[in-house]
Formats: sequence, C-alpha cells, structure tokens
Amino acid sequence: AQSVTQPDIHITVSEGASLELRCNYSYGATPYLFWYVQSPGQGLQLLLKYFSGDTLVQGIKGFEAEFKRSQSSFNLRKPSVHWSDAAEYFCAVGDGRSQGNLIFGKGTKLSVKP
Amino acid sequence: DGGITQSPKYLFRKEGQNVTLSCEQNLNHDAMYWYRQDPGQGLRLIYYSQIVNDFQKGDIAEGYSVSREKKESFPLTVTSAQKNPTAFYLCASSAKTGGSTDTQYFGPGTRLTVL
Repeated sequence: AQSVTQPDIHITVSEGASLELRCNYSYGATPYLFWYVQSPGQGLQLLLKYFSGDTLVQGIKGFEAEFKRSQSSFNLRKPSVHWSDAAEYFCAVGDGRSQGNLIFGKGTKLSVKP
Repeated sequence: DGGITQSPKYLFRKEGQNVTLSCEQNLNHDAMYWYRQDPGQGLRLIYYSQIVNDFQKGDIAEGYSVSREKKESFPLTVTSAQKNPTAFYLCASSAKTGGSTDTQYFGPGTRLTVL
C-alpha cells in the first residue's frame, strides 16, 4: 500500500537559515507528489507539486522540492526562512486510483527563532 | 472570489447528537472530499464524491454520512455512531475526477468539539 513518511515531527530553525523538510514515500509506480502548508486553525495551501519532468520543482513563497526516485524522497527546501514560514507542512502522494485521492504524511511542524 | 467555504468555523455538540458540517465551493469543481485531522495524525479521508448524486467511502467513513445533491455542495453529517468525533474537519475539491494528478484545494476547516 502507498504511504508517506515525514520523519521529523517538529523542527526549529533560526530566521534566515536554510530549511529542509524530509518526505519519503512508498509507491510502486510513478508518484504524484505534493507539499501543502497549514497555518494554525486554517486549511491547507498547496506549495508545489510534482507529476513528471524536471525533478526540481519550484513552488510559491520561495519553496522548492526535489524528487529523487532512487531514494523515494521528495524533500522540501527553502534557502532562507522567514518568521512567517512557521506552520505545519504536509507531504502527500496521489494514491494511483482513478479517483485521485491523496495519502498524507503526519506533518512536520516548523518553528522559527528570531 | 472563487474558493471553498466551510461553516461554521467552530461547532459544539452534545454526545448523542447528530451535527452537519457545511462545505460549499464556487470553483466549478467536479470532485469533493472530506478529511478528518487529529493532532499528529495528518489527514484521513472520510468520504469523497466525483459527481453529483454519487459518493464513496474513504478510509474512516464509519459514523459519518454525506450527500451530493448539488455540484457546489457536499455536507458532512457526524452521527451519534461516531465514537470520537472531536476533531478538525477539512473539505477539499478538485477540478478533475480521474487520476492522481488532481490538485486538491482546501477550505478553512471546521473544528468540532463534543461536550
């Protein structure tokens, strides 16, 4: 069965530092991968997605992610974190069924130190 | 503005009562979804609908019911059979009804608390 693992429950970085959030997936075919961000008490906002082609994907708010098939990973990166990036981040994979359902990781909470 | 609205934002319910959460979208999307979110658990799919008058159970459908009488509306009823209904509920929609490339767009959520 398909699954998504986000190994880090909580990460704290200093403002201006670089960020990498890890995501590993288990999927037999070509995966469709997403990163979403959620501010406290809010819905999810799509940051970026990978379907095919270039393995380095650019998203909104200065985020990017790199798909590495050999490592079954889709890590999210940002070169310089801003205090407003503090939120919870979810990685998701399309489950391959025709209805297009998503399987979500359990999320990584990002705190930003001033 | 196009988007997904959920109401109410906060909902309180006594044990044994049914309660209905509203989800409306004006994106002209065909597919709609309901997720439940618990702390540290990520999102779990409750029900989804690809077309009007049709819907399918997700991974945790027990104790919930839905209807899809209109394209833009997908209300979720939390019944008294749901053993632990206190959670944050998220509604989503997507434009296409087939394939894992569908991008889902989310509403702001409803926090349900059982007293």
